[in-house]
Amino acid sequence: DAGITQSPRHKVTETGTPVTLRCHQTENHRYMYWYRQDPGHGLRLIHYSYGVKDTDKGEVSDGYSVSRSKTEDFLLTLESATSSQTSVYFCAISSSSGAKNIQYFGAGTRLSVL
Amino acid sequence: AQKITQTQPGMFVQEKEAVTLDCTYDTSDPSYGLFWYKQPSSGEMIFLIYQGSYDQQNATEGRYSLNFQKARKSANLVISASQLGDSAMYFCAMRESLRWGGTASKLTFGTGTRLQVTL
Repeated sequence: DAGITQSPRHKVTETGTPVTLRCHQTENHRYMYWYRQDPGHGLRLIHYSYGVKDTDKGEVSDGYSVSRSKTEDFLLTLESATSSQTSVYFCAISSSSGAKNIQYFGAGTRLSVL
Repeated sequence: AQKITQTQPGMFVQEKEAVTLDCTYDTSDPSYGLFWYKQPSSGEMIFLIYQGSYDQQNATEGRYSLNFQKARKSANLVISASQLGDSAMYFCAMRESLRWGGTASKLTFGTGTRLQVTL
């Protein structure tokens, strides 16, 4: 158990509304990531963080923003949700030490935008 | 850009038999890492096994082993003595560094192989 909690686990929202997903970790890992999973695409990186207030874009960042004001929390915000953002969202963490640099994932958030 | 290819959308295996899930990759980086994750129907992503590009030995973790053939750019997952609980989606992934000189990394995933273990 990598101590990662995602909330909410399920959410249904309407097009045009803002949505915030939360990722909380208990083990003080430096790196945190948000991915989305869609059929036929595997997982794709949205944004990542390499420290408090330090974030950067991944390959599918359009329409998303993130914030990390504390080591333990990484928030993903959809400013104005669209149907194309219906997906399963995974948060991941990794430690900065060790050659393996394994990423461990949270349980996921299933988001439906109607 | 890195690419992971999993050519088997679905596989069947009988309980107690071994099965190989294929994964090929493409990268120009001399240093990389390869991972396999399991995603059961409950949806979580579970780390199974890791192989570093400079590792001399093939990785093993219990019933999982990684058949790493660097020259062929393949990293196949072998599951020995399959169990009903092995039924799941399996993803191969490659690590790519995101920032020069840093250890933040992105995983590039394949599209997955759905394994079904039968009695």
